[in-house]
Amino acid sequence: GENVEQHPSTLSVQEGDSAVIKCTYSDSASNYFPWYKQELGKRPQLIIDIRSNVGEKKDQRIAVTLNKTAKHFSLHITETQPEDSAVYFCAANGANSKLTFGKGITLSVRP
Amino acid sequence: GAVVSQHPSRVICKSGTSVKIECRSLDFQATTMFWYRQFPKQSLMLMATSNEGSKATYEQGVEKDKFLINHASLTLSTLTVTSAHPEDSSFYICSARRSGAKAEQFFGPGTRLTVL
Repeated sequence: GENVEQHPSTLSVQEGDSAVIKCTYSDSASNYFPWYKQELGKRPQLIIDIRSNVGEKKDQRIAVTLNKTAKHFSLHITETQPEDSAVYFCAANGANSKLTFGKGITLSVRP
Repeated sequence: GAVVSQHPSRVICKSGTSVKIECRSLDFQATTMFWYRQFPKQSLMLMATSNEGSKATYEQGVEKDKFLINHASLTLSTLTVTSAHPEDSSFYICSARRSGAKAEQFFGPGTRLTVL
């Protein structure tokens, strides 16, 4: 089955700086890679996703890149704000159409 | 569009009792729904895939007789935790996928279960 690795477990940045979160996956048949933001006690919120037929996607301050050869994908947040502080999960949709989640990273944006 | 609700949002029960959690897709039809469990400071772990009109598919290590899943309509799936024990205390989250879609899942708000 799919295995998604997400490192590190925590990331702290100064407000206004950029944050980059990286994930790797194992199943070459995976074709859909969403990123979720989860605040404490709340549901995961889809912030951006990318499919395997594109290499990059951008939505305002958020972008995702995908390298299928290396089997890794990254989330880029520019001009970070304190409200960006949350837990971020990457996920991959394998051949079985199930989402496998990474362990999550706690992003802290210092004012 | 693509709103998923869950009920109840919180439940506290005594050990040995059963608890039912409902997951509804409010504005779309969902042939497939998923049930996840999330322990504090951990990731979402898929428990089972719920398919409308057929038996659920359980992940390895998840007891199907303990976590009963029913997906009787295209907008409702239920998870019943039978004979709950304190170790079943967790955050249970469902998600739904539009009928005909292959990937994107829409998540419910979750149910916090506490077993005393």
